[in-house]
Amino acid sequence: AQSVTQLDSQVPVFEEAPVELRCNYSSSVSVYLFWYVQYPNQGLQLLLKYLSGSTLVKGINGFEAEFNKSQTSFHLRKPSVHISDTAEYFCAVITGRVDKIIFGKGTRLHILP
Amino acid sequence: DADVTQTPRNRITKTGKRIMLECSQTKGHDRMYWYRQDPGLGLRLIYYSFDVKDINKGEISDGYSVSRQAQAKFSLSLESAIPNQTALYFCATSDSLKGLSYNEQFFGPGTRLTVL
Repeated sequence: AQSVTQLDSQVPVFEEAPVELRCNYSSSVSVYLFWYVQYPNQGLQLLLKYLSGSTLVKGINGFEAEFNKSQTSFHLRKPSVHISDTAEYFCAVITGRVDKIIFGKGTRLHILP
Repeated sequence: DADVTQTPRNRITKTGKRIMLECSQTKGHDRMYWYRQDPGLGLRLIYYSFDVKDINKGEISDGYSVSRQAQAKFSLSLESAIPNQTALYFCATSDSLKGLSYNEQFFGPGTRLTVL
């Protein structure tokens, strides 16, 4: 069965510093991988996705993620965070034919002044 | 106007009461989903519907029921609410008609339900 593990429940980082949010998945078949962002008091919105092709995926707001099949990882990165990046970030995976997304438990990104 | 709307946005109710949460979408998508979000647990799928006549249980369907009244409307009911159903509930939609094997899901703003 597929699963998604977000290794950090909270990540504090200073403004303008780089950040990496970690995500590992388990699946025996091909996967589609996603990062969603949830700003305070809002629903989720798609940040970026990996379907196939280039393993480096660029998303909105300066975020990018790299698909690493050998390490079954899909870590999210941003070279310089801003206070507006304060949010909860969810890694998610779809496998097989059915588009039921399995979400990780989320990582709260705290931006320190 | 938002593409996926949920009503109510907040609701406080008592144990044993019947509650209905409603979701409407103007995206023209055929697939709709209900999730609940609990702190530290991420989102868990309650029910999903691939079209009006196709409704399926998700991983945590016990205590919930759904109705797909039309392609654009998908409601979630708690027949007899209990305190551990206190959570944030999200509706989502996706479009199967693009011929892709994945379909991005679009989320509503959520309904915060408190059961006392």
